[in-house]
Amino acid sequence: GAGVSQSPRYKVAKRGQDVALRCDPISGHVSLFWYQQALGQGPEFLTYFQNEAQLDKSGLPSDRFFAERPEGSVSTLKIQRTQQEDSAVYLCASSLGVQRGNQPQHFGDGTRLSIL
Amino acid sequence: GENVEQHPSTLSVQEGDSAVIKCTYSDSASNYFPWYKQELGKRPQLIIDIRSNVGEKKDQRIAVTLNKTAKHFSLHITETQPEDSAVYFCAASVGQNFVFGPGTRLSVLP
Repeated sequence: GAGVSQSPRYKVAKRGQDVALRCDPISGHVSLFWYQQALGQGPEFLTYFQNEAQLDKSGLPSDRFFAERPEGSVSTLKIQRTQQEDSAVYLCASSLGVQRGNQPQHFGDGTRLSIL
Repeated sequence: GENVEQHPSTLSVQEGDSAVIKCTYSDSASNYFPWYKQELGKRPQLIIDIRSNVGEKKDQRIAVTLNKTAKHFSLHITETQPEDSAVYFCAASVGQNFVFGPGTRLSVLP
């Protein structure tokens, strides 16, 4: 497909379980971003990759959150020992180049995570 | 860090009327301002963007204006249609990241 693809679309987990969310960016896009979107709020930045390098992880809320993009394409966001406050939609976005903050980001449909 | 405010939080207009959503930002270094439309359960979709060297940009029924001195920018939708109903987010770029506003829920009443 031509767009950003995320899986799964929905994930339900019990508190304390680990989850892994996948993002397949647009082919050839160098930059990849993860956002967390709480209900009724705007997306909030979590982390940013340029190719395989994680250049900014300042938005990750705790050390339970970990992201990787080992081959500079697909990315995985992992949350360990999930808690109820982790319930949100996790959005992935990609952009073509590396120019700082000056290019449109294209979003996936997100993964809706519910922690019981 | 950057802070983006957005008003109003909800907006109802009659079909055919215009809608205006306003955003302010705090970091004078921000130089790129996109607007996204998000329908319920769907991805945010870029509808228009503006860079800091431009004061206004128009695309059919949608326009964006930017006042760098006052650090605010606005989205204008003319001749609104029911399919314009959605949540609209503004954003400002700081570094390589976007900071989003809290969103405006637009309802276009037939």
